[in-house]
Amino acid sequence: ETGVTQSPTHLIKTRGQQVTLRCSSQSGHNTVSWYQQALGQGPQFIFQYYREEENGRGNFPPRFSGLQFPNYSSELNVNALELDDSALYLCASSLGTRAYEQYFGPGTRLTVT
Amino acid sequence: AQSVTQLGSHVSVSEGALVLLRCNYSSSVPPYLFWYVQYPNQGLQLLLKYTSAATLVKGINGFEAEFKKSETSFHLTKPSAHMSDAAEYFCAVIRRDPGGGNKLTFGTGTQLKVEL
Repeated sequence: ETGVTQSPTHLIKTRGQQVTLRCSSQSGHNTVSWYQQALGQGPQFIFQYYREEENGRGNFPPRFSGLQFPNYSSELNVNALELDDSALYLCASSLGTRAYEQYFGPGTRLTVT
Repeated sequence: AQSVTQLGSHVSVSEGALVLLRCNYSSSVPPYLFWYVQYPNQGLQLLLKYTSAATLVKGINGFEAEFKKSETSFHLTKPSAHMSDAAEYFCAVIRRDPGGGNKLTFGTGTQLKVEL
């Protein structure tokens, strides 16, 4: 059984650019949630995907968007990057939207300069 | 709205001493509570969870937490700290949106330092 994987590990972008982060869910998990963790803060919920549809969204602007694919993997896209988007982006997978346990990947560290 | 508050952003203990990390919750309904640990440059690992069964919950690595409704608390403890326990610890509560799924709401974290 493979765990949650994320790519890339680190990324440096310039303000105004666009970025795509990727997540492969744990084997058998059909729900993916994305979180943003700014330095020194707890993770903040961005959105959740279930069966390729967005299933709830946190307080993030529309320039944060996502996709989920038939194999349950997911992408997080951020357009028009701002300096405050610099953070660790965490992906978590679970079995169903009402599962209590979410399994986290190692994260992608995004730096916006 | 459900939320958690972690008291103390930094806690320092001696190796072998008791670890106590504090978490208080705010919830209008019975909460589902979690403790996660994050080692440097890594993702989050679930330590333990409370889902309205036993109020004393045992987790991995010798950690446990007690749900106290009267105090709205869910403090994390370990009888004897080990150097390998040095990490950041997050308390979290499940928020269930109407018609939606479960989303975790995290506290701001407590950095645990273990000294010789």
